[in-house]
Amino acid sequence: TQLLEQSPQFLSIQEGENLTVYCNSSSVFSSLQWYRQEPGEGPVLLVTVVTGGEVKKLKRLTFQFGDARKDSSLHITAAQPGDTGLYLCAIRGTYKYIFGTGTRLKVLA
Amino acid sequence: DTGVSQNPRHKITKRGQNVTFRCDPISEHNRLYWYRQTLGQGPEFLTYFQNEAQLEKSRLLSDRFSAERPKGSFSTLEIQRTEQGDSAMYLCASSLETDDYGYTFGSGTRLTVV
Repeated sequence: TQLLEQSPQFLSIQEGENLTVYCNSSSVFSSLQWYRQEPGEGPVLLVTVVTGGEVKKLKRLTFQFGDARKDSSLHITAAQPGDTGLYLCAIRGTYKYIFGTGTRLKVLA
Repeated sequence: DTGVSQNPRHKITKRGQNVTFRCDPISEHNRLYWYRQTLGQGPEFLTYFQNEAQLEKSRLLSDRFSAERPKGSFSTLEIQRTEQGDSAMYLCASSLETDDYGYTFGSGTRLTVV
């Protein structure tokens, strides 16, 4: 059983469109992170959310941590081709972070 | 500081051969992690070092895998008698002991076993 489920698995959209991707679990977490990974590179940390209901913004990206701290969403406004990549959520386990399966986003020009 | 450095970036090897990868973490980071990532999946935890001590190993790390961090600085991951199922991206990450806000990853070593 996957601890973190991400949806959708794949998303292909046109430049300028908005999108939301989700990270869900049946467990409660103290914090959750979002990473973006480009092909052939390691993941890069985008944001950490720690408080239930917390909303953080990073330019056109809006991250939300669910009130019950069991889920999170990432919303991208006016997507650009540079947003293309694998979006991963991760939660902290003992000594290590546990990653979801990822959402692969492709933004077409 | 140039971030986390991994070498080589790519490795193609024949089944049955041994391979070794190297990771140089950010110099002040005392925690170092190895993950494996297959196509279309998120990274899977392999092992974790705090300074030179290997504190946790995943069940994914079979007897053919060994990792070291002899002086608490760089780390090596060796795979003996490689199998086609070992083909993956091997990622190294580092963090501060007090840093609960994420890892810095290297660019990874992509292993292809033919």
